[in-house]
Amino acid sequence: DADVTQTPRNRITKTGKRIMLECSQTKGHDRMYWYRQDPGLGLRLIYYSFDVKDINKGEISDGYSVSRQAQAKFSLSLESAIPNQTALYFCATSQHPSSEGSSGELFFGEGSRLTVL
Amino acid sequence: AQTVTQSQPEMSVQEAETVTLSCTYDTSESDYYLFWYKQPPSRQMILVIRQEAYKQQNATENRFSVNFQKAAKSFSLKISDSQLGDAAMYFCAYRINFGNEKLTFGTGTRLTIIP
Repeated sequence: DADVTQTPRNRITKTGKRIMLECSQTKGHDRMYWYRQDPGLGLRLIYYSFDVKDINKGEISDGYSVSRQAQAKFSLSLESAIPNQTALYFCATSQHPSSEGSSGELFFGEGSRLTVL
Repeated sequence: AQTVTQSQPEMSVQEAETVTLSCTYDTSESDYYLFWYKQPPSRQMILVIRQEAYKQQNATENRFSVNFQKAAKSFSLKISDSQLGDAAMYFCAYRINFGNEKLTFGTGTRLTIIP
C-alpha cells in the first residue's frame, strides 16, 4: 500500500462545483503539502502544514482552501472550481529537516488529475 | 526568492548512451540541498538523487550521478547507460537547509529514450 494516498485519482467536474481532494499518509510525518503541476510550469506550492494546528499559504493559494484533520490527513478544497484549475495535484509529506538523516525531501502521493469543464 | 531553472524542456538519448540534464539555481545561501525527481508516465514522483551543498563530493546512485558546481550554481544530472525505463519528466529542486523552508522546483525536462 502507498505511504501517501490521494483520492480521487481522477475527477472531472463542472465550473462552479465544490471539489475536495483528500490525502492521507502512514509515514508518520508532521509536514504535509499540496502542490499543483501544470505543463511547462513545474510544481507550484498551494498550501502547506507543519503540524495539525499550522496552516500556511504557498505561492498560489487563491481559490483554494485546506484542512488538516489529523496528523495523517490533509485535504484540499476548491470552493468554486474554474477551468484554469484544471491540473495534476500532488500531496506530499516530509520529515522535519532536523530529523536525523533527513534532507527535508518530499514523499509524494500518486497525484489527482482534476479537469474542470 | 530562490529560483530553479531547467533550460532544456525536452531531451532525447539513444538507449545505452549517456545524457546530461541541466539545472541552475539562484540563491544567496550557502547551506542547502538539491534534488532530482523523476516522474514517469505513471505520474508518480520519485526521488532520484540528492546533494547537500556542504559536501564537495558529487552524489551517485547507480547509473545516476550529479555534477555539482557550487560557485556556478549548477546541478546537472548524468544518466549513464540509458534504459527505456528512464523515459520520464525530470525535475530539479532546491531547499535551504534551515528552518521551515520548502522545496522549489524547476519546470522540468522531458527525457525520451530512443531504442
